[in-house]
Amino acid sequence: GAGVSQSPSNKVTEKGKDVELRCDPISGHTALYWYRQSLGQGLEFLIYFQGNSAPDKSGLPSDRFSAERTGGSVSTLTIQRTQQEDSAVYLCASSPAQGIETQYFGPGTRLLVL
Amino acid sequence: AQSVTQLDSQVPVFEEAPVELRCNYSSSVSVYLFWYVQYPNQGLQLLLKYLSGSTLVKGINGFEAEFNKSQTSFHLRKPSVHISDTAEYFCAVSDPAFSGGYNKLIFGAGTRLAVHP
Repeated sequence: GAGVSQSPSNKVTEKGKDVELRCDPISGHTALYWYRQSLGQGLEFLIYFQGNSAPDKSGLPSDRFSAERTGGSVSTLTIQRTQQEDSAVYLCASSPAQGIETQYFGPGTRLLVL
Repeated sequence: AQSVTQLDSQVPVFEEAPVELRCNYSSSVSVYLFWYVQYPNQGLQLLLKYLSGSTLVKGINGFEAEFNKSQTSFHLRKPSVHISDTAEYFCAVSDPAFSGGYNKLIFGAGTRLAVHP
């Protein structure tokens, strides 16, 4: 079946612009995670969704970052007023339920802020 | 808070040789451990996981790992590597009891495995 998909695969933007990154989880997966992979910080957790609610937003690095999930499916990560330090690969993962279920990762969106 | 240390940033090895990628984690009462592999320009793929039970865990592609509670380690091994194993390997830990019942992964910095002919 279809895996986790993310779009766009690559995004180049200018400093100060807003960007939206999209994640389509595996159908039926209720848990959704966003992670960021950058050279300086490695792989770091950003936010977790269970259904449409986000019980843990502790990893969002600043108030310029926000995310939502609608219909218990698609999620959008929005970065406002992008900075060069936001350049990274943004990874999305989904799992059938919360707890210890395996997380299935998408290919990521590579963001470059000039 | 949990943390993960991958002791080697790069491991070069010849094809068909054995390999061990080291991982240590900060101690916790209950912890789940994972190894993920990332091939170039791809997402992460689960190799294996330890949740409970037998301390020797077997995964895909001939990899295995051993959970050692006293040494807080979860080293990944393969007896004979192939060129196709060249990739980045990430060790991760989660502590659902600490994070509110869900599987928040804390990753190590990664180990780049380079298999040479």
